[in-house]
This record gives sequence, C-alpha cells and structure tokens, in this order.
Amino acid sequence: SQTIHQWPATLVQPVGSPLSLECTVEGTSNPNLYWYRQAAGRGLQLLFYSVGIGQISSEVPQNLSASRPQDRQFILSSKKLLLSDSGFYLCAWSLGRSYNEQFFGPGTRLTVL
Amino acid sequence: GENVEQHPSTLSVQEGDSAVIKCTYSDSASNYFPWYKQELGKRPQLIIDIRSNVGEKKDQRIAVTLNKTAKHFSLHITETQPEDSAVYFCAASLGGNNRLAFGKGNQVVVIP
Repeated sequence: SQTIHQWPATLVQPVGSPLSLECTVEGTSNPNLYWYRQAAGRGLQLLFYSVGIGQISSEVPQNLSASRPQDRQFILSSKKLLLSDSGFYLCAWSLGRSYNEQFFGPGTRLTVL
Repeated sequence: GENVEQHPSTLSVQEGDSAVIKCTYSDSASNYFPWYKQELGKRPQLIIDIRSNVGEKKDQRIAVTLNKTAKHFSLHITETQPEDSAVYFCAASLGGNNRLAFGKGNQVVVIP
C-alpha cells in the first residue's frame, strides 16, 4: 500500500531564516506530487506540482521554491522566510491520470516569528 | 483560472438532520469535482467525487449533485452524526495533471 510522509511535523522559525520541508511517498512509482498551504479561512492553496523528477510548476509567485530530486521525494524551500509564510503545509500525491484521488500527507505546521 | 466558492462557511445542524453544502466554480472546462473531509488536526481525505458526465452520485449517507449549466455542485449528508463534524472542502479540476482548485472550506457542526 502507498504511504506519504512529511517532516518535520511542526516548525518554528524566525523571519529571514531558511526553510526546508520534505515529503516522501512509498509504494508507488512516478506519482504526481503537490505542495499546498492551508492558512486559516483560506482553504487549500496549490503552491507547486510536479509530474516527474526535476519537473516543477509553480502556481503562485512567492518566495518559496520546490524541488524533486528523486521520483518519490518532494522538497519545499525558502531562502528567507516571511511572517506571511506561516501556515499548514500539506504534500499530496496522485496517479498521473485525470480524475484521480489526491492523497495528503500529515502536514507540517510552520510558525514564522 | 478556476475560482471555487463554498457556501455557507459554517453550518450547524441537529443530529439526525440533513446538511447541504454548495459550491460554485467558474471554469466551464472543469470536469472532475471531489469533496474532501478534514477532521480537526488531521489531513484532508476524499469522501466522494463526481465527473462531469454524471449528474448525481451516492455513497450511503453522502451524495453529490452536479449542475454543469449553472456551474455548481452540492454535497448532501443525510442522518447526520457527531462524527460528521469537520471541515469539508470542495474542489474542481484545473486543466491537466490532475490539479485541483479548492474552495475555502465549510465548517460543519453536528449538535448532539
């Protein structure tokens, strides 16, 4: 069966510090991978998605970036965090075809102070 | 791009009553509409979905209806139970690669 992991579970970082969140998927090959941010009252905002190694598409311009160094690894990064980067970050995977369920990871709660 | 809106933002119902959440979308090319449930402190999980070639789909106490002409779809929960209390997100497909645009979510509270 497939599982999806995210770490860390919680993170408190000062403004201006770097960020690296990691997501890994087990039990499937060549999944589509997604990064979402969930802010209070704003639903799930798609930040990045990837259909393969090294292929990253950005949905929202911001100071965040994403990378996919391996088939089942997706990383969300920032060189300098802003207060507005605080939120709940969710990674998800799906099969590549349309109409497929997206499976979410447990999320990372990021607080920028 | 796709714009998905949900109404109402909060819904309180008595246990045993029905709950209905409505979503509207803007892109007529959207053809897949899933609903996700997120319990407090947990990850969103798919509860039901519908494709654009179908008008209604049921799964036990949950049903989804789709009106493509009006560009809206609704989640219906019958005989609500306390464990139905959660945030419900609707979504609409965004072009290819199985991307989704999510609504802001509805907080459903079932009062025992």
